[in-house]
Amino acid sequence: DVVVTQSPLSLAVTVGQPASISCRSSQGLVYSNGFTYLNWFHQRPGQPPRRLIFKVSNRDSGVPDRFSASGSGTDFTLKISRVEAEDVGVYYCMQGTHWPWTFGQGTTVEIK
Amino acid sequence: QVQLVESGGELVKPGRSLRLSCAASGFTFTDYYMNWIRQAPGKGLEWLAYINSTGRDIMYADSVRGRFTISRDNAKNSVYLQMDRLRVDDTAVYYCTFPARLARVWGQGTTVIVSS
Repeated sequence: DVVVTQSPLSLAVTVGQPASISCRSSQGLVYSNGFTYLNWFHQRPGQPPRRLIFKVSNRDSGVPDRFSASGSGTDFTLKISRVEAEDVGVYYCMQGTHWPWTFGQGTTVEIK
Repeated sequence: QVQLVESGGELVKPGRSLRLSCAASGFTFTDYYMNWIRQAPGKGLEWLAYINSTGRDIMYADSVRGRFTISRDNAKNSVYLQMDRLRVDDTAVYYCTFPARLARVWGQGTTVIVSS
């Protein structure tokens, strides 16, 4: 199975400051159709995950533009330009290229 | 609006069976692969299975292959997860999602507790 490793596993950020989460996969994530199926999700306690980013860098509708993502091959990054209080929760990256599709362990973001 | 509603979760003893359902609405169900994903208490997310639009292309994670069966009824806009020989470590919130690989839409989940 493709192992997806996130770092850090927890992050305490001051409101208004930036945050960055790294996601590394044990194999390259380019699918046979040329797309890279690396997605990012945000989960608040008691809620299902909400997708933020799909195929590396595409922001979902309604996701604030303070969220951005990039990467290629095996290294990917999610960035929050200015953290707001509502951004707390757990962030997961997920690869959908190689079956079984796998998630990272999650990164917990809290406010300092 | 696009919606997925899971049901069927309950407290069950080890070794027993359970069938989860996911009712879809607000989109053309037959256009999409559907997935089941679970989350054990306090843990991360695990993709369990997917099924294509006709039901002929199905894949399972190793952890559930041979015990769980995914199926769909396109006439009822529903996807199912038949869970047999349940184990304590199957305790989790079970989500249905779509589309495959991208998981844009999630239900609220249904809770399965396996305990004696």
